[in-house]
Amino acid sequence: EAGVAQSPRYKIIEKRQSVAFWCNPISGHATLYWYQQILGQGPKLLIQFQNNGVVDDSQLPKDRFSAERLKGVDSTLKIQPAKLEDSAVYLCASNQGGWAYEQYFGPGTRLTVT
Amino acid sequence: ELKVEQNPLFLSMQEGKNYTIYCNYSTTSDRLYWYRQDPGKSLESLFVLLSNGAVKQEGRLMASLDTKARLSTLHITAAVHDLSATYFCAVDKSSNYQLIWGAGTKLIIKP
Repeated sequence: EAGVAQSPRYKIIEKRQSVAFWCNPISGHATLYWYQQILGQGPKLLIQFQNNGVVDDSQLPKDRFSAERLKGVDSTLKIQPAKLEDSAVYLCASNQGGWAYEQYFGPGTRLTVT
Repeated sequence: ELKVEQNPLFLSMQEGKNYTIYCNYSTTSDRLYWYRQDPGKSLESLFVLLSNGAVKQEGRLMASLDTKARLSTLHITAAVHDLSATYFCAVDKSSNYQLIWGAGTKLIIKP
């Protein structure tokens, strides 16, 4: 079974530029999460989708971050414009949506904003 | 607000020794997860603990959950270098299958 796919793996941009990340979850997984992980910290949830609907985006900085999950499968996360403090690893995870199931994580995208 | 605290945050130990990582959380939850993260890598699920008294073991790692004490432990037996990683616990926030994460315990095992 293929795991969660993410691209790109690394991205370096200047502040005020825009960037987009892509995630393809495990087939059949209804729930998709985007996390931000700053070095030395645990993951912080940015947004959670159930199929193609948003369950929770309360911690997403909506003035600069946006995310979508068209057709309930792939998802993209965009930052525009980027700030220095956005430098982090962006992780995508998915699960089957039930309470007993762990989340499966992709390899992440390491973003450096200069 | 649900908070999850791990301790220690950093642990350096010798091969062959035993040690325990603690995960405390602030409100009621019956579901707790342990993950491992190697440097520069993503998170790998280790254990899913779904009820009070749950105990799971995989190789040299054993995890347990005491929901009354709001405490989970990850015990390492006769540590080996390959177990060097950062270990995270996460607690289910209920309702929406969201996880609240601890800050992680960075474990270094010296030969």
